[in-house]
Amino acid sequence: EAGVVQSPRYKIIEKKQPVAFWCNPISGHNTLYWYRQNLGQGPELLIRYENEEAVDDSQLPKDRFSAERLKGVDSTLKIQPAELGDSAVYLCASSLDGVGDTQYFGPGTRLTVL
Amino acid sequence: AQTVTQSQPEMSVQEAETVTLSCTYDTSESDYYLFWYKQPPSRQMILVIRQEAYKQQNATENRFSVNFQKAAKSFSLKISDSQLGDAAMYFCAYRSPIITSGTYKYIFGTGTRLKVLA
Repeated sequence: EAGVVQSPRYKIIEKKQPVAFWCNPISGHNTLYWYRQNLGQGPELLIRYENEEAVDDSQLPKDRFSAERLKGVDSTLKIQPAELGDSAVYLCASSLDGVGDTQYFGPGTRLTVL
Repeated sequence: AQTVTQSQPEMSVQEAETVTLSCTYDTSESDYYLFWYKQPPSRQMILVIRQEAYKQQNATENRFSVNFQKAAKSFSLKISDSQLGDAAMYFCAYRSPIITSGTYKYIFGTGTRLKVLA
């Protein structure tokens, strides 16, 4: 069984540029999560999807961040424009359902904003 | 607000020995989930063990076991017979019950880096 796939693995951009991250969850997993992990910290949830619906985006900085999960499968997280403080690892995870189920994480995208 | 605290930024253990990683949390809920995740260097985070708060019995997965003290809000991870491959960051996580709006909180601690010495 293929795991959670993320791309790109690394991205370096200059501030004020846009950037997008892509995630393909495990087949059949209805719940998809985007996390941001700053250096030396634990992951912080940005947004959670149940199928196509964003059921929790309370921690997503909506002025510059956006996300979508078309057809309830793949998801894209976008930052526009990026700021220096956005440098972090962006993790995608999926679970069969959201009710206490195990999350499976992707390898993450390491973003560096110069 | 719920919080998760890992007070040990770094721990070391000799190969084949036993080590315990600490985690405390704060919540007013009675029904929730607790997890330990392992994040090896430059590799994906994976689940080590999970515990449902309503279960009194401590969860066990091979060499990994937890000491769940609900009243004390403590959830420590014990690794027995430590192996070199156990070296990683370990994160404790708390998942709240689902509230009426359908949302829940999933909170990670700051992690403990475990070094295994040969």
